[in-house]
Amino acid sequence: GIQVEQSPPDLILQEGANSTLRCNFSDSVNNLQWFHQNPWGQLINLFYIPSGTKQNGRLSATTVATERYSLLYISSSQTTDSGVYFCAVDNQAGTALIFGKGTTLSVSS
Amino acid sequence: SQTIHQWPATLVQPVGSPLSLECTVEGTSNPNLYWYRQAAGRGLQLLFYSVGIGQISSEVPQNLSASRPQDRQFILSSKKLLLSDSGFYLCAWSVHLGTEAFFGQGTRLTVV
Repeated sequence: GIQVEQSPPDLILQEGANSTLRCNFSDSVNNLQWFHQNPWGQLINLFYIPSGTKQNGRLSATTVATERYSLLYISSSQTTDSGVYFCAVDNQAGTALIFGKGTTLSVSS
Repeated sequence: SQTIHQWPATLVQPVGSPLSLECTVEGTSNPNLYWYRQAAGRGLQLLFYSVGIGQISSEVPQNLSASRPQDRQFILSSKKLLLSDSGFYLCAWSVHLGTEAFFGQGTRLTVV
């Protein structure tokens, strides 16, 4: 099955710093999503981005489907950005999302 | 707009007791519905998905079952809980298979 690898596993930042999170996947996909899991466990949709580039405020994402990777950029980080960031891609049948192990981000003031 | 409701938020159950977690979606018809589980410190794993009423597919063998009695209702059940059933359970929906998925707030289950 498809493998999803995220890096780095942990990231510690000072408030105001920028960061780049990476997601590599082992096969072609039709769906790629980035999520932020907040301290209460809820998964917040950040981007639905099977290809191309999108921006939403301080966050942006780029997926290069032909090279099987996606990047999530966080600029001017804030303490509220802390949490776990997951990348997920669909399986071959499109019946499930395959999640990476996540990047745990800690932003301190 | 579409919303997804999941309850309860937390649950502590003794080993051997039954389980029923409920998920409902509002604002859409015939959604695809999913149950995922997140073990402590790990990523999410799909347990069940459903493309319509009464249609349930299981991704992994386990002590759990799912049912879809109504179009926008998805229920996760167990007849007898095991300690290994502890975890964070999330319900999700999408318009079609392979399209953007949206998650509920989750249920944190502790089996004691």
